[in-house]
Amino acid sequence: EPEVTQTPSHQVTQMGQEVILRCVPISNHLYFYWYRQILGQKVEFLVSFYNNEISEKSEIFDDQFSVERPDGSNFTLKIRSTKLEDSAMYFCASRGLAGGPGELFFGEGSRLTVL
Amino acid sequence: GENVEQHPSTLSVQEGDSAVIKCTYSDSASNYFPWYKQELGKRPQLIIDIRSNVGEKKDQRIAVTLNKTAKHFSLHITETQPEDSAVYFCAASNSGNTPLVFGKGTRLSVIA
Repeated sequence: EPEVTQTPSHQVTQMGQEVILRCVPISNHLYFYWYRQILGQKVEFLVSFYNNEISEKSEIFDDQFSVERPDGSNFTLKIRSTKLEDSAMYFCASRGLAGGPGELFFGEGSRLTVL
Repeated sequence: GENVEQHPSTLSVQEGDSAVIKCTYSDSASNYFPWYKQELGKRPQLIIDIRSNVGEKKDQRIAVTLNKTAKHFSLHITETQPEDSAVYFCAASNSGNTPLVFGKGTRLSVIA
């Protein structure tokens, strides 16, 4: 069964450092998302990406965040200068249906720890 | 934007009993309502979803009901088993690219 894959599974970084989280969405999917989940809290939307551009972003997704789809398969989330409060599990997700909502497939997540 | 409220935050039931989790949403344009199950340290996984043209949907021991007038939807799990223990999230979105907005989750514990 096709899966969304994410790397790394866990990253520890110092405050102020740049971090890149990588995702490979399911190959025929069209919509890509990043969500984050602070330990014990709900899943929060960060950004959605469609047709090679950001389609929507939340208030969390400020200038420190950026996303890229550098080739036909990878979808990356970059945090330019990490803060302590960026510590969370970051989930990449994708879905395939055009023109309507449908099942969101999540990756296993990348746990980011900022020290 | 959409706001999804979920209750209760924790729920303990005896094995074999039923569990009900309720969610309300604010955006009347929302028309897609999935439920995700998240086991400890794992990714959220879809267990059932419902669209606004349907009032109820059932899949074995799991059912979801939707009341669009009242803007609430519920998850029902019957004959609960210990492996049902997890955090359950409801979510809502409308058509097109609008991202899913999640509730805060319900930690369900099924006691053997």
